[in-house]
Amino acid sequence: EAGVAQSPRYKIIEKRQSVAFWCNPISGHATLYWYQQILGQGPKLLIQFQNNGVVDDSQLPKDRFSAERLKGVDSTLKIQPAKLEDSAVYLCASSLNLGGSGNTIYFGEGSWLTVV
Amino acid sequence: RKEVEQDPGPFNVPEGATVAFNCTYSNSASQSFFWYRQDCRKEPKLLMSVYSSGNEDGRFTAQLNRASQYISLLIRDSKLSDSATYLCVVNRVGTALIFGKGTTLSVSS
Repeated sequence: EAGVAQSPRYKIIEKRQSVAFWCNPISGHATLYWYQQILGQGPKLLIQFQNNGVVDDSQLPKDRFSAERLKGVDSTLKIQPAKLEDSAVYLCASSLNLGGSGNTIYFGEGSWLTVV
Repeated sequence: RKEVEQDPGPFNVPEGATVAFNCTYSNSASQSFFWYRQDCRKEPKLLMSVYSSGNEDGRFTAQLNRASQYISLLIRDSKLSDSATYLCVVNRVGTALIFGKGTTLSVSS
């Protein structure tokens, strides 16, 4: 079974530029998550989708970050304009349904962003 | 106060040692508990779920104390391949996973 696919794997941009990350979840998974992991810290949830609806975006810096999952499958995460502190790994994850015991969440390999 | 707190580490132990990681969570509504393992420059992967009765998977034992809001992971007979970051994770119904900062383990020969 194919896992969670993400691209690009690595991106280096200058501050104030924009960047977009793409995620294709495991087939059939209704719930999709974007996490941000800064070096030395645990992953922090940015946004959670259930099908094409947003369940939780309370920690998404909406002045510069946006995400969509228009058809309930693929998702994109955009940052515009980027700041130095956005340098992190952006992890996409998916699960069959909303998280909980017995509902395993699977992560993609991540998109590594460096803002210079 | 962060919702999930872990020992910062790093833990440096020789092969064969027993090592324990501790974790506390602040939200009493948390219902599901996990340990994830993250290798260097890789994504987190589920190591094991944690149940109130305690559970064991080979050399790994996880314990949960709901009254104290405390979770632990014990690794016996450490192997070089156990070197990784161990993330304590909690979950409430309908919410995403909430991760601790992680504890780094380095096992040396």
